[in-house]
Parts: sequence; C-alpha cells; structure tokens
Amino acid sequence: NAGVTQTPKFQVLKTGQSMTLQCAQDMNHNSMYWYRQDPGMGLRLIYYSASEGTTDKGEVPNGYNVSRLNKREFSLRLESAAPSQTSVYFCASRGVGANVLTFGAGSRLTVL
Amino acid sequence: AQTVTQSQPEMSVQEAETVTLSCTYDTSENNYYLFWYKQPPSRQMILVIRQEAYKQQNATENRFSVNFQKAAKSFSLKISDSQLGDTAMYFCAFSLISNFGNEKLTFGTGTRLTIIP
Repeated sequence: NAGVTQTPKFQVLKTGQSMTLQCAQDMNHNSMYWYRQDPGMGLRLIYYSASEGTTDKGEVPNGYNVSRLNKREFSLRLESAAPSQTSVYFCASRGVGANVLTFGAGSRLTVL
Repeated sequence: AQTVTQSQPEMSVQEAETVTLSCTYDTSENNYYLFWYKQPPSRQMILVIRQEAYKQQNATENRFSVNFQKAAKSFSLKISDSQLGDTAMYFCAFSLISNFGNEKLTFGTGTRLTIIP
C-alpha cells in the first residue's frame, strides 16, 4: 500500500520555467490537497479538491493551477516559476468521514 | 477564518525528561478536530495525536498526551520520557467538521524540538 506518492522529490527550475508536480493516492480518498511549507510559516494550503471534478483555492493560490485528473490524481502546475515559489510542497488526501490527512513525502522545489 | 498559534519556535529538553508544547487556536465554531503532527528530518508528516472537540477526555497515545482546554482554546502536547527519536518539528493543526467533504487543515508555524542526549 503506497499511500500518497509525489513526484518529483527534488526539482530545480529557472525563473519563468514551468513544471507540474504530480500526486497520486491509492486509498480511494475523495479529498486531496496541496500545501507548501516555508521556514517559520508552517504549512499553507494552496488548493484542494473535495471530490473528483471540483477544485477550490486555499490560502495561497496565486501563481499555481491544479487539475483533479481523476479520483486518484491531483496535479499542481507552476506556469511561470518565481523565486518566491521556492518551497517544499506536500500533497495529502483524506477519505470520506475521516478526519486525518495522509501526506506524501514532499517535493523540494528551488527556483533560481 | 480559523487561526492556529504556536508561540515556541524552538525547544530543547534532556532525554527522559517531560516536555510540553503549546498551541492556541481561534474559531467561532463548536465542532472541530485538533491534531499534532510530527515532522522528523526525513520530512515525512506523521500524525501524533488527535482530539475531537466534543470529547472532554484528553487524548493519549503512549508517551504523548494532550491538555485540551476548549474554553481557553488551548491544545498543548505533553511528551513524557522523551527519546532521541522525538527530535522533530511539531505542528499543531485544526480542522472543522463538515458534511461536505471539504474539510481543510490549518497549521501553526511549528515548534522545533530537540532532545539532548
């Protein structure tokens, strides 16, 4: 049982480049989330998807887009990366009626 | 909007001692969950303990226990007989209870705990 899988684990980009972070879960969870973690700021919600076909903005959505491709997959896209998007990104999922998030291992993104 | 505050950026304690991490939160809602997550150097987010707001009894998981004070909106974590493996960043988190499946976790800024041999 893999849980939540994120790829890539590490990525270095130049300012203005684009990239997509992939996330997949194999627990049949309805809800999926993308958070970013920055020193001294905890984890902040970027976007979430309560169910397949729906997405909603979180606390810090600017500069990002998401796609809930199917029930398993929830991708995060940076169209034009900026140094302020240097961070560690976490994907998480949650089942119906569950009150606990299961997290992926995180993706460290550096934008030069 | 809900907020979570952790006022201790860093703490350290000798191995085998007891340490308490503080967390306060702000909400006007009555039904919610509270959590403590641990993030060791591996970066993995690990659930330590959770508390349902409607339960008066404080949650306990082995060496980890909470002091939940609903009226004061306080949710502290006590680690007893601390071990070197407890060295990690600890995050307090809050989630409303919803029937719509769109519950989100709001996190505090974290407390970096170091256990000294």
